[in-house]
Amino acid sequence: AQKVTQAQTEISVVEKEDVTLDCVYETRDTTYYLFWYKQPPSGELVFLIRRNSFDEQNEISGRYSWNFQKSTSSFNFTITASQVVDSAVYFCALSEGGNTGTASKLTFGTGTRLQVTL
Amino acid sequence: NAGVTQTPKFRILKIGQSMTLQCAQDMNHNYMYWYRQDPGMGLKLIYYSVGAGITDKGEVPNGYNVSRSTTEDFPLRLELAAPSQTSVYFCASTFDRNTEAFFGQGTRLTVV
Repeated sequence: AQKVTQAQTEISVVEKEDVTLDCVYETRDTTYYLFWYKQPPSGELVFLIRRNSFDEQNEISGRYSWNFQKSTSSFNFTITASQVVDSAVYFCALSEGGNTGTASKLTFGTGTRLQVTL
Repeated sequence: NAGVTQTPKFRILKIGQSMTLQCAQDMNHNYMYWYRQDPGMGLKLIYYSVGAGITDKGEVPNGYNVSRSTTEDFPLRLELAAPSQTSVYFCASTFDRNTEAFFGQGTRLTVV
């Protein structure tokens, strides 16, 4: 069975600090997909990134970067120079490859609440 | 560009009542999902569908039913509401397997 662990329940930082959100996953599949979603105070879920298990390249998108390491089963998310608008709950999620005609069922971590203050 | 639309946004039910949470998407996605989010927890999959007429159970299906008569709509039915079903419910859709999920705004349900 697949599992996603986000050990950090809540993180508080001051604006402009860098912050890293940890995500550790477990799966028996060799083909799988990892995701990060953001849930701002308004409650909707916003897609941030998808990474497949064969692509270990790190990715940077503006102030956001992701570090995927299969050796440690981790997919960590770093926000550089955090801003108040980054305050949200961030979820890491995993789906296994599966077969054509079956759905990709996301397994979510419990989320990390990030509070960015002035 | 509506995406995934859920109604209602809020609802209070009494124990034993029934209701249907509506979900519609206009992106022609075959895959649709219902999740519930309990406080301090991640989302858990209730039911999913890979296309019209095809549904299957997720991780926490007890107390719920779904149907998928069209590609666009995927309603979730609660037959006998229980306090344990107090939660925020999210409907989602994906274009294909393992692609990004588009979520609705959520329905906050309280059973008293």
